[in-house]
Amino acid sequence: SQTIHQWPATLVQPVGSPLSLECTVEGTSNPNLYWYRQAAGRGLQLLFYSVGIGQISSEVPQNLSASRPQDRQFILSSKKLLLSDSGFYLCARNSGTGIISGYTFGSGTRLTVV
Amino acid sequence: AQSVTQLGSHVSVSEGALVLLRCNYSSSVPPYLFWYVQYPNQGLQLLLKYTTGATLVKGINGFEAEFKKSETSFHLTKPSAHMSDAAEYFCAVIHGSGNTGKLIFGQGTTLQVKP
Repeated sequence: SQTIHQWPATLVQPVGSPLSLECTVEGTSNPNLYWYRQAAGRGLQLLFYSVGIGQISSEVPQNLSASRPQDRQFILSSKKLLLSDSGFYLCARNSGTGIISGYTFGSGTRLTVV
Repeated sequence: AQSVTQLGSHVSVSEGALVLLRCNYSSSVPPYLFWYVQYPNQGLQLLLKYTTGATLVKGINGFEAEFKKSETSFHLTKPSAHMSDAAEYFCAVIHGSGNTGKLIFGQGTTLQVKP
């Protein structure tokens, strides 16, 4: 099973506070991992992806960073949150061998910055 | 670069009516195309995908989509809408290749089903 665990499910944080969202995955080893953000009316935006431990690619400049300390762990962080960081954050992994198998998604974290 | 455009951010149908959600793609190579569904406050679930072969693809929950190269389209259909189909639907295309290929999503279409 290619299950993905994300926590917390919801989070309310004040502006300027730090952030750490964790994603752990099950299934085949050495997965490609992805962080997406879904903001109101803006669809799904790819933030980061990783093809291996310590390997992070950033898709858009922003206030966030990502790390992959273990094969099945992907962390999204911020030192100081902005109001614009509010959104629904989704972690994903490749569903099988190769990109054409598509992705499996976690259940997401709803972040509200106040 | 590969991309998709979903026509219509909101679609409303009556229960039992035909569902048609539109997706057009842009790709310089033969595309791999996907449809995902998202229920409120949940992750995305794969409905169906087109890679190669038969252009009419059947997915879960009675949905199907047809790849039309001449029209650069991959519209999602279902003959008869159920209340449980109310959700947000995303079309996606693979951008790039090999291990660094990524899914690029459209803006999404919210489907409302009226009783």
